[in-house]
Amino acid sequence: DAKTTQPPSMDCAEGRAANLPCNHSTISGNEYVYWYRQIHSQGPQYIIHGLKNNETNEMASLIITEDRKSSTLILPHATLRDTAVYYCIVYAGNNRKLIWGLGTSLAVNP
Amino acid sequence: SAVISQKPSRDICQRGTSLTIQCQVDSQVTMMFWYRQQPGQSLTLIATANQGSEATYESGFVIDKFPISRPNLTFSTLTVSNMSPEDSSIYLCSWGSLGETQYFGPGTRLLVL
Repeated sequence: DAKTTQPPSMDCAEGRAANLPCNHSTISGNEYVYWYRQIHSQGPQYIIHGLKNNETNEMASLIITEDRKSSTLILPHATLRDTAVYYCIVYAGNNRKLIWGLGTSLAVNP
Repeated sequence: SAVISQKPSRDICQRGTSLTIQCQVDSQVTMMFWYRQQPGQSLTLIATANQGSEATYESGFVIDKFPISRPNLTFSTLTVSNMSPEDSSIYLCSWGSLGETQYFGPGTRLLVL
């Protein structure tokens, strides 16, 4: 599975959009991009995933570049409760395990 | 999606003892998994809990140290045996297909003294 690169930490003002980047330059054509987050002292929570098209759900939007080598998770109006570690994972869905990196620690400030 | 719970939520144990962590899902699921998250680190898969057969362990994890049971499609246990301070971690169970969306329990925080 392709590896991902994320900045170790980011800050965002409450009410503003949080844009979390992820680089996956070695992604294969059949690999999806998944995003999870882990709020302190809790288990990881699924956010969103996509293959090549941009995706949106009630939590976030996922923008994948045309060459699929990078993506951005967008939290449109960040709140203090969005403070968490955000993990970007690429995965082919062939029953092999997810590879978790260290993610991006997002701090939403009042 | 099925709700998943774990017990205990946290524990402090003496070295040399064992602790069994329970994971309960409120509906039947095919695959359940156990992860470890050491302090300041990311998640590492310990094993896949298979219903009615032995668990499938990842490299670096062995059944003698982390015995796992999966008696039915809603329940699994992980035992951390003969504990040492290096076993201090958060232990997480999840359900879902490998590589597809996984849903995690709240975790068990273990401190070994």
